[in-house]
Amino acid sequence: TQLLEQSPQFLSIQEGENLTVYCNSSSVFSSLQWYRQEPGEGPVLLVTVVTGGEVKKLKRLTFQFGDARKDSSLHITAAQPGDTGLYLCAGRRYGGATNKLIFGTGTLLAVQP
Amino acid sequence: DAGVIQSPRHEVTEMGQEVTLRCKPISGHDYLFWYRQTMMRGLELLIYFNNNVPIDDSGMPEDRFSAKMPNASFSTLKIQPSEPRDSAVYFCASSLKQGRITYEQYFGPGTRLLVL
Repeated sequence: TQLLEQSPQFLSIQEGENLTVYCNSSSVFSSLQWYRQEPGEGPVLLVTVVTGGEVKKLKRLTFQFGDARKDSSLHITAAQPGDTGLYLCAGRRYGGATNKLIFGTGTLLAVQP
Repeated sequence: DAGVIQSPRHEVTEMGQEVTLRCKPISGHDYLFWYRQTMMRGLELLIYFNNNVPIDDSGMPEDRFSAKMPNASFSTLKIQPSEPRDSAVYFCASSLKQGRITYEQYFGPGTRLLVL
C-alpha cells in the first residue's frame, strides 16, 4: 500500500504552460517535502512545508500543504524545459520516526521547447 | 564539501554473485539511508543508520540483503546471492539532525545495478 499517491504519473507539456502536481494521502504528516530528480542523479530537495495550509514559493514554483496535513500540491507557472524531471513528494508521518521519509509514487514531467 | 559519494556508479553481474555497494556520507552527517528505486515500486527506504547504528531495517527485502556502517564515513549494502529482481538504482543519502522538524536528505548519484 502506497501511503503517498501522486497524480498525474506522467505529464508532457509545452514550454510556457502551467501545471499542478498533487500528492495525496489518508495519513497525517508532520512535514512534507518536495524533491526533483534529474536523469542519472539522486533527488534534490526543493522545499519543506510543516504547517497546515502553508504556502511556499520558489521562483515559478508554488507549494501548498493541505489544511489537514494529508495532502500537498506543486504548481509550476510558465514551465521551462529545465523543469523537466521526476518530482517526488516525501512525508514524515505524524508520530512516526522523526527522520524517516515516505516517498510518493512520483510525477514524471517533460517540458517540450 | 563533497556530496554523498557512491561506488560503483554502474554494476552488471550474474545471478548468484555477491554485490557490494559503497557509500561515503557527507562529513558531519549523523544519519545515513539506503534506498532502492524501480519503475514499479518507486523509491523505497531499505534501512537507515543514526550514529552508525542501524535504526530501522524493516525495508530490507530479505536475508540476502545486509548493510553495515563500520564508521561515520563509510557504509556498505551487500546482496548475496543477487537475483535479477534486485536490478534497480540504489541510492545512499545522508542528513544532519537540525531540530525536531525538518531534515534535508542529501542523495548520492546512485548505483545502477543490473543482475543478469
